[in-house]
Amino acid sequence: NAGVMQNPRHLVRRRGQEARLRCSPMKGHSHVYWYRQLPEEGLKFMVYLQKENIIDESGMPKERFSAEFPKEGPSILRIQQVVRGDSAAYFCASSDSLSAYEQYFGPGTRLTVT
Amino acid sequence: TQLLEQSPQFLSIQEGENLTVYCNSSSVFSSLQWYRQEPGEGPVLLVTVVTGGEVKKLKRLTFQFGDARKDSSLHITAAQPGDTGLYLCAGEPQGGSEKLVFGKGTKLTVNP
Repeated sequence: NAGVMQNPRHLVRRRGQEARLRCSPMKGHSHVYWYRQLPEEGLKFMVYLQKENIIDESGMPKERFSAEFPKEGPSILRIQQVVRGDSAAYFCASSDSLSAYEQYFGPGTRLTVT
Repeated sequence: TQLLEQSPQFLSIQEGENLTVYCNSSSVFSSLQWYRQEPGEGPVLLVTVVTGGEVKKLKRLTFQFGDARKDSSLHITAAQPGDTGLYLCAGEPQGGSEKLVFGKGTKLTVNP
């Protein structure tokens, strides 16, 4: 049973470009969460999605950031016009509906903005 | 804002020693999770505790959830170099928000 998949594992973008991060949840999981981890900081919640719905985006910056989880295909976290402060590790986690608090994480995408 | 404070931040011990890592908060959590993270990888779920006073064992690891569901501890017996890693506690705030709040972690090094 494949775990949570994220790609790319590493992404380098110049300031002003767009970054697209993809996440395929574990088979059978319908809940997807995105977290950001800055150096020397803990993981911070960004957004929680179910298929075609954003449930909670309280941790996501209101500008330049967006997320989706379409009916078909992976969840996408999109960062427009990236700035150096966006450099971080972005992790996706998934859970099933019965035990949403048991979240399984992917390997992460390390975004570097130059 | 619920916060989880982990202590110690860093811990370096010799193989065979025992250790305890703490996770504390002033807030109540519906559940609490412990993860272990290796450099360059995502956190791996070790255990979930949901009942106040609950104790769970995973081989040499013992996890306890405080009676008031505000704190937790992780105890490792006879630590091995393979236990080296970053240990994170995470909690689901009471109210069922389903977003986890993470501590900053305890970086454990077990020297052979």
